[in-house]
Amino acid sequence: AQKVTQAQTEISVVEKEDVTLDCVYETRDTTYYLFWYKQPPSGELVFLIRRNSFDEQNEISGRYSWNFQKSTSSFNFTITASQVVDSAVYFCALSGPNQGGKLIFGQGTELSVKP
Amino acid sequence: SAVISQKPSRDICQRGTSLTIQCQVDSQVTMMFWYRQQPGQSLTLIATANQGSEATYESGFVIDKFPISRPNLTFSTLTVSNMSPEDSSIYLCSVGGTTYNEQFFGPGTRLTVL
Repeated sequence: AQKVTQAQTEISVVEKEDVTLDCVYETRDTTYYLFWYKQPPSGELVFLIRRNSFDEQNEISGRYSWNFQKSTSSFNFTITASQVVDSAVYFCALSGPNQGGKLIFGQGTELSVKP
Repeated sequence: SAVISQKPSRDICQRGTSLTIQCQVDSQVTMMFWYRQQPGQSLTLIATANQGSEATYESGFVIDKFPISRPNLTFSTLTVSNMSPEDSSIYLCSVGGTTYNEQFFGPGTRLTVL
């Protein structure tokens, strides 16, 4: 069975703090894909990153960074020097080669960045 | 990346009525997906729509309640039938990219059923 767990339901930080959003996944596939999406209050789903299971290199994009560790089945997301505009719900998702591209989503983490 | 539009962006409907949501993509895609996001919840896949074949529904979703059309490679519709307040959700369509491990989402349709 495939499953994505985001144990942090809500996180509140003060602007300029660093924050890490946790994502743990379960899958029996050897090839799979992990995603992070941002959903601001307006409701649209904004694609942030896709990572395949063969690429364990960490990635940095501006203030965003992702740590993929197959040994712990985790794909954590860190925002450095958070800003108020980072306030949103963040979803981690999983897709596999036998799923036709459909995504299994975690429950989401609501991040609130206060000025 | 694909550009996806949905109509309507939001609607308020009376119980017992039906609403058809349209999803238009700016390029031809093989697979289109319809998701539901209930208030405060995560996204759940309703069905996968391939052009030229019947949609494949996930457990808990049935064709009579959520009929789907896929007349060509750039367009799909989802109908929410005989609505009840429990159907109040955001409905999103998504498409796969050139490789199925890409996934782009439309802006969503925010439905409220009174």
